[in-house]
Amino acid sequence: GENVEQHPSTLSVQEGDSAVIKCTYSDSASNYFPWYKQELGKGPQLIIDIRSNVGEKKDQRIAVTLNKTAKHFSLHITETQPEDSAVYFCAASSPRDFNKFYFGSGTKLNVKP
Amino acid sequence: EAQVTQNPRYLITVTGKKLTVTCSQNMNHEYMSWYRQDPGLGLRQIYYSMNVEVTDKGDVPEGYKVSRKEKRNFPLILESPSPNQTSLYFCASKVTGQSDYGYTFGSGTRLTVV
Repeated sequence: GENVEQHPSTLSVQEGDSAVIKCTYSDSASNYFPWYKQELGKGPQLIIDIRSNVGEKKDQRIAVTLNKTAKHFSLHITETQPEDSAVYFCAASSPRDFNKFYFGSGTKLNVKP
Repeated sequence: EAQVTQNPRYLITVTGKKLTVTCSQNMNHEYMSWYRQDPGLGLRQIYYSMNVEVTDKGDVPEGYKVSRKEKRNFPLILESPSPNQTSLYFCASKVTGQSDYGYTFGSGTRLTVV
């Protein structure tokens, strides 16, 4: 099946700096890539997603880029704030079942005030 | 409010004692799924259901059962829990038939089997 790798596993930035989390996937047929934010004690929440026919998508301070040729996609958070501190998961849809997703192992982001 | 509700939030049990974790969604989603989350492994799918009375195994189904008698409910059953099932469990739902639609997750159930 699909294999999704996520880096780094932990990331510490100063408030106001940018943060970048990278994911790679193995199956070129995957066509949908959501990103989830998990705050302490809560379930993952969808924050942004991108389809395979789009190279970049932006929503205020967060953006996602997709390189289909290289099979990697990244989450960019600009002007980080302490409330951005959380665990972030990337995911890729299964090419054979678009109801199923393969998740990365997660990145713990710590934004220092 | 559209949501997925899991209960209980925390559960400590002993090896071999059957337990059920409930999951309910109010969004009329056809697709529901259970995931477990372990450090360094991300989220792994246990079981899923495409609709009422239709369930199938995910990637790590051993030791678990599910049922889908009603559209809104999808309980996870551990008939004989073992310590390796100590984990954080999430129920999720989504609209079926749309490839660019993500999950709505519940708040999680932290299970400890001693």
